[in-house]
Amino acid sequence: EAEVAQSPRYKITEKSQAVAFWCDPISGHATLYWYRQILGQGPELLVQFQDESVVDDSQLPKDRFSAERLKGVDSTLKIQPAELGDSAMYLCASSFKGHEQFFGPGTRLTVL
Amino acid sequence: AQSVTQPDIHITVSEGASLELRCNYSYGATPYLFWYVQSPGQGLQLLLKYFSGDTLVQGIKGFEAEFKRSQSSFNLRKPSVHWSDAAEYFCAVGISNFGNEKLTFGTGTRLTIIP
Repeated sequence: EAEVAQSPRYKITEKSQAVAFWCDPISGHATLYWYRQILGQGPELLVQFQDESVVDDSQLPKDRFSAERLKGVDSTLKIQPAELGDSAMYLCASSFKGHEQFFGPGTRLTVL
Repeated sequence: AQSVTQPDIHITVSEGASLELRCNYSYGATPYLFWYVQSPGQGLQLLLKYFSGDTLVQGIKGFEAEFKRSQSSFNLRKPSVHWSDAAEYFCAVGISNFGNEKLTFGTGTRLTIIP
């Protein structure tokens, strides 16, 4: 069964450092989402891609976060510099022309 | 703007007992509604979804949910829980966003199963 892949699964970094997360969606899924899930809360959408284009980044803190999906397939989310408040689970999801989003296992980020 | 409320932060149920998790939403139009389950350290798995039609929706793992427009609710139920059902459950409302769904999640309900 096709799955959304994410790496790394866990990342520990010090504040002010740069971190990057990678996501490979299910093959053929044109829409890709990055979510942030703070402990004890539900996921919150950071950015949505349609193919290689960003269609919604209204909740992305653009002073330190960036996301790209250069060839419309896999995607990278970067934080620079990381802050203590960025500690969270970062989830990637993909969908194909419809309503159901398939989620990856997430990357757990700890900022010290 | 749409919002989702899950009033129960934590629920404990005995194995074999019935389960109901509450979800209330706020949205001006007919919503798309979802229930997801998340095991510790894992991503989210879709249990079921409501778009239109029959207000009682069947999902995977024996779960069902009922959409009640008059109460703005979409409660999740299971007649008999198993120890493997212990997880975090999230209700979400979706609105069309550039041809795909933009999901707004509730804060989740953590389910503990006791023998």
